Amino acid sequence: ETGVTQTPRHLVMGMTNKKSLKCEQHLGHNAMYWYKQSAKKPLELMFVYNFKEQTENNSVPSRFSPECPNSSHLFLHLHTLQPEDSALYLCASSQDAGVSANYGYTFGSGTRLTVV
Amino acid sequence: GDSVTQMEGPVTLSEEAFLTINCTYTATGYPSLFWYVQYPGEGLQLLLKATKADDKGSNKGFEATYRKETTSFHLEKGSVQVSDSAVYFCALRGNAGGTSYGKLTFGQGTILTVHP
Repeated sequence: ETGVTQTPRHLVMGMTNKKSLKCEQHLGHNAMYWYKQSAKKPLELMFVYNFKEQTENNSVPSRFSPECPNSSHLFLHLHTLQPEDSALYLCASSQDAGVSANYGYTFGSGTRLTVV
Repeated sequence: GDSVTQMEGPVTLSEEAFLTINCTYTATGYPSLFWYVQYPGEGLQLLLKATKADDKGSNKGFEATYRKETTSFHLEKGSVQVSDSAVYFCALRGNAGGTSYGKLTFGQGTILTVHP
């Protein structure tokens, strides 16, 4: 149990589908993150939320829509994805997004997404 | 901005061999440094960390020393096991202000395979 839970673990979706990824943490953290991990590419930071406010969007296409209703939950809504969006999507949390730099992030196990 | 460079892999070793994975960084100020490990099909787990110069992080037989003079944080283990086969990521978290403040910046990852 890592403290950060992602569901589902695996997802196969068609290009016209709409689906959502869910991330939940019970660590009392105030910052949450979405990362994309593709084969043979570095980890890509997608979104940052700090105290429920989005503080970073790294030029992510609008077909990815994040939502953070509270500090414990983070969603990634997906619609009209492309095959190249197939990847492992990782959620992470930390004490906060700034001042506690001595602490690392806690990661979930990820959602393996396949777009067909 | 901040950056992390890891030695290119993949690294293939026999069981009980000595492991070194090189990591160097570029950052302003005094970042915190981390090693994460990703086992097949899983998310990233924090392996060890060091928060100031000359600190040594250690866990599960792995060690790394924060060397500010050489801006390095090399990962070492004296005797690897088959179960150590995974992808290893070096990372830093900046605390010097600016756009990198508080962000976790990753290296590209090094694949380690240990044979019996």
